[in-house]
Amino acid sequence: AQSVTQLDSQVPVFEEAPVELRCNYSSSVSVYLFWYVQYPNQGLQLLLKYLSGSTLVKGINGFEAEFNKSQTSFHLRKPSVHISDTAEYFCAVSVISGFQKLVFGTGTRLLVSP
Amino acid sequence: ETGVTQTPRHLVMGMTNKKSLKCEQHLGHNAMYWYKQSAKKPLELMFVYSLEERVENNSVPSRFSPECPNSSHLFLHLHTLQPEDSALYLCASSQGGGGTDTQYFGPGTRLTVL
Repeated sequence: AQSVTQLDSQVPVFEEAPVELRCNYSSSVSVYLFWYVQYPNQGLQLLLKYLSGSTLVKGINGFEAEFNKSQTSFHLRKPSVHISDTAEYFCAVSVISGFQKLVFGTGTRLLVSP
Repeated sequence: ETGVTQTPRHLVMGMTNKKSLKCEQHLGHNAMYWYKQSAKKPLELMFVYSLEERVENNSVPSRFSPECPNSSHLFLHLHTLQPEDSALYLCASSQGGGGTDTQYFGPGTRLTVL
């Protein structure tokens, strides 16, 4: 079975500061990795995903994430956040074979203040 | 309409009621999903449909009954629910259901069971 850990339930940060949201996973088989964002009163939206190749993945809205196999991590980063980045961020994994069954972490709420 | 829509957006029901949640996707996708999102818990995958066939039932109680009449529509029939079933129910769709897919989420139905 797979599991995802997002240790930070909430991350407060000032506008234009850098931010890193942490994600660690556990799996006995190879997985694909995803970051989704949920803005208030909306469904989830894909930020980026790692399938193979370069371990640095760039996504929408200036976000990027780095896959580290040895540390089983997939941390999300942005060099300069905006007020509009305030949202809930979810890390998820899916096994490579068969139908996609996303396993999510508990989410990290990013609070950007002026 | 574009993307994934869900109706109703809010639903309050008693424990003896029967109600249905509706999901419609306008993306031409072949796979559809139901998730349960409860506070402080990871999103829980409930059901997966591929080409109108149920391919995953994630140990969901029988008081939740899904129906997929065609690849664009997905229903979740509810009966004799418990207060702990109160949550945000999210529908999603993806191209084929494979591990590399991006899932597109609707805004959810906020369900309250009295």
